[in-house]
Formats: sequence, C-alpha cells, structure tokens
Amino acid sequence: GAVVSQHPSRVICKSGTSVKIECRSLDFQATTMFWYRQFPKQSLMLMATSNEGSKATYEQGVEKDKFLINHASLTLSTLTVTSAHPEDSSFYICSARDRRTVFANTGELFFGEGSRLTVL
Amino acid sequence: TQLLEQSPQFLSIQEGENLTVYCNSSSVFSSLQWYRQEPGEGPVLLVTVVTGGEVKKLKRLTFQFGDARKDSSLHITAAQPGDTGLYLCAVSGGYQKVTFGIGTKLQVIP
Repeated sequence: GAVVSQHPSRVICKSGTSVKIECRSLDFQATTMFWYRQFPKQSLMLMATSNEGSKATYEQGVEKDKFLINHASLTLSTLTVTSAHPEDSSFYICSARDRRTVFANTGELFFGEGSRLTVL
Repeated sequence: TQLLEQSPQFLSIQEGENLTVYCNSSSVFSSLQWYRQEPGEGPVLLVTVVTGGEVKKLKRLTFQFGDARKDSSLHITAAQPGDTGLYLCAVSGGYQKVTFGIGTKLQVIP
C-alpha cells in the first residue's frame, strides 16, 4: 500500500531553536499534503494544507510565520517550527492523498508515522 | 462546536466483550471514514462508508452509516487486547480537508 514517511520521528530541542520535519510520499505523488497537530489524549487538529508549488493554506488560529510550510515537489512537504517554545511540544502528523484519486470521495488519505516534538 | 461528536470518549472493557462506538453530526456527509491510531503512530484507515444505511464488516468490526448519512457506528465483537487504540471518525470537506472527531480511546483488558 501507499506509504507516507515522516522524519524525524522524535526530536528534542531547546527553546528558541527551529525544527524542520519532513513528510514524503514514497510511492505516489501528492499535489496536496496536510499537517496535523495532536496534543496528548486529544484528536488530530488540522494546522495547514500544503500545496505543491504555491503557498500553504493555514487554518484559523495557526500562525503562518511560526509554522513554515514548504511543498517544493510532488513527494515532499516540510514543516518548520520556528523559535520553538515548550507549548509547541506536540505530535505532528502529515498526510497525503495520491493525486490520481483527488477527485474521488473515497480516495484514501495516508498518514505518516508522526513526529514527536519536545521543546525544553 | 465540534463537527463530529464521538461517544464514548473513553472505554475500558474486558477481553471478549462487545462494544459500540458512535459518531454523530448534524451535518450530512457524502462519505465517512473510521481510523484507528495506536500511541506514537499515525492513524490507519479502517473503512470508508459512502451509502446511507451501508454496513461494512472487517473481521470482528462492523461499521454502519446512518440512513441520513449524519451518523455512523463501529461495533466490535469479542474485543481483543489488540483492538486497544484510539478510534477516530472523520469526514472529508472542501479542498480535500479531513476533519476528525475527538476520538474514542478503547482499552481492552486481557
């Protein structure tokens, strides 16, 4: 089946530093990828939609200057948490759908394994 | 307000018991998905239901989409410890966005 890979799976950083998380679709191309954040014991909350070759679309309340998204190719999107603070500690998950199934209601959305960010 | 309401939010049962998880909304959807997520991992798609009244079975899991396509249920028969996890219902909206319910955390005790 289709695979979406995230890297790193875990990262610990000091407050004030920036952290980049990569999301790759390994065997399909994705014009759109999605970034979610999940706090402990909570559901996934959509942060932004990453669009290949254009600007990302952010959900209400998500700071675009803090969470920089780049979707430079059809198989790679990156999320950079800039000047990270302890409250940014969370589980970040990306997802993608094969571009060939975009217009199908049942086109499966594949999720990465997630990246656990801990900001000290 | 939450687009998708899931209940119960937490469920702890003994191995072998049956359980049902519900996903409700006031909105009508063209399709609905159920995912299962284990700690420290991304969600994995279990099923997509499309037609009102549709019933789908996946081994011991039975999924039903409400006739009006506003709600869905997941029934697990003879739960096993391996069923432990977070069960999420989700719907697709505009621009391919997927919105998740709050989830039901299931613990099956051996």
